[in-house]
Amino acid sequence: KNEVEQSPQNLTAQEGEFITINCSYSVGISALHWLQQHPGGGIVSLFMLSSGKKKHGRLIATINIQEKHSSLHITASHPRDSAVYICAVNSGGSQGNLIFGKGTKLSVKP
Amino acid sequence: EAGVTQFPSHSVIEKGQTVTLRCDPISGHDNLYWYRRVMGKEIKFLLHFVKESKQDESGMPNNRFLAERTGGTYSTLKVQPAELEDSGVYFCASSQFGQGNEKLFFGSGTQLSVL
Repeated sequence: KNEVEQSPQNLTAQEGEFITINCSYSVGISALHWLQQHPGGGIVSLFMLSSGKKKHGRLIATINIQEKHSSLHITASHPRDSAVYICAVNSGGSQGNLIFGKGTKLSVKP
Repeated sequence: EAGVTQFPSHSVIEKGQTVTLRCDPISGHDNLYWYRRVMGKEIKFLLHFVKESKQDESGMPNNRFLAERTGGTYSTLKVQPAELEDSGVYFCASSQFGQGNEKLFFGSGTQLSVL
């Protein structure tokens, strides 16, 4: 079993829906990252969290350290949000020594 | 400002051949990381440079992989000889040197196919 598990693996939503992607991890961490990869594109860092909650535009990321769980929320989803969302954690190695989840493929239909 | 660039974007080689991947980080970024995604699996960390020094190479799979960052600017990742299981997407990322909470900037990756 991977140390970082994401759910769901695939998600289809209608434009405007509120979306939640979950990430659970089984190791101690110093930080958790949410990343986005569009089809054929590179990876973009959305958030880096060590506690609490962060918001950027329509994206909100939360983390519960005690429960070893993080969520990524997208409000008022749009087709351009269609991408693979990846959760990754730093469990004490160098900053970029991350353990990655397999990703959640999101498709937002107009 | 240019982002992290990687080339080639695609490489198709035969088993036993040598391939060299290149990553140009954002100018001024001392940290440079290599990652790999094998088909159907999650992305895995390979190694971390701080300037020209290897800070952490715990993820390098075996001695067929050689990473260098001469002069602390661009980095190369050489696979010699390539095996079928080396196929995948190789990503590079860079960040500024700091307290450990610096944002990571990723390249678009190199798709390597070993036939």
